[in-house]
Amino acid sequence: GNSVTQMEGPVTLSEEAFLTINCTYTATGYPSLFWYVQYPGEGLQLLLKATKADDKGSNKGFEATYRKETTSFHLEKGSVQVSDSAVYFCALRPSSYKLIFGSGTRLLVRP
Amino acid sequence: KAGVTQTPRYLIKTRGQQVTLSCSPISGHRSVSWYQQTPGQGLQFLFEYFSETQRNKGNFPGRFSGRQFSNSRSEMNVSTLELGDSALYLCASSLDGGRDYGYTFGSGTRLTVV
Repeated sequence: GNSVTQMEGPVTLSEEAFLTINCTYTATGYPSLFWYVQYPGEGLQLLLKATKADDKGSNKGFEATYRKETTSFHLEKGSVQVSDSAVYFCALRPSSYKLIFGSGTRLLVRP
Repeated sequence: KAGVTQTPRYLIKTRGQQVTLSCSPISGHRSVSWYQQTPGQGLQFLFEYFSETQRNKGNFPGRFSGRQFSNSRSEMNVSTLELGDSALYLCASSLDGGRDYGYTFGSGTRLTVV
């Protein structure tokens, strides 16, 4: 079946540190992959996406590359800010019309 | 461009009652999906509608139902509420069923069942 596995949180970093949040997936066919971010009390915001193997999604300094050989879509940012503190969700969209989410990773950035 | 609008933002209901949640998608988006978010189960897919037709349904009991109107607005209904139905219910709309552009989410309706 289809599933997404994310690294457990919380992840605590100092401002300007390098961020990696691991995401691996299991899927049949050729899914699209997404990262969403959720700030307290809000819904989900699309952070970046990739629709085929080797695609790199990027937005606001965040990047993730669709790696079919390792079934991974790790989120990275070179220098985090306090304002990046949030919960990050990796998701896949298989051939059916729905998103399958990972469990979420809470990021806390300290000044 | 207006985003996805969900009403109401907060609801408190009593066990056994029913509830209806509303979602207005982004203009031009014909696909609307619903998700339930809880601390224990995370984000789970409820159902997806496109042009008033349900295209996909998640693994939820029949107490959970939805519909979509000709203007793409959608409602979901939960009957005979249980304490475990307390959750954040998120609506999402999409231009292409999510394949290339993903889904845009609303701020959610926080349902508390007492």
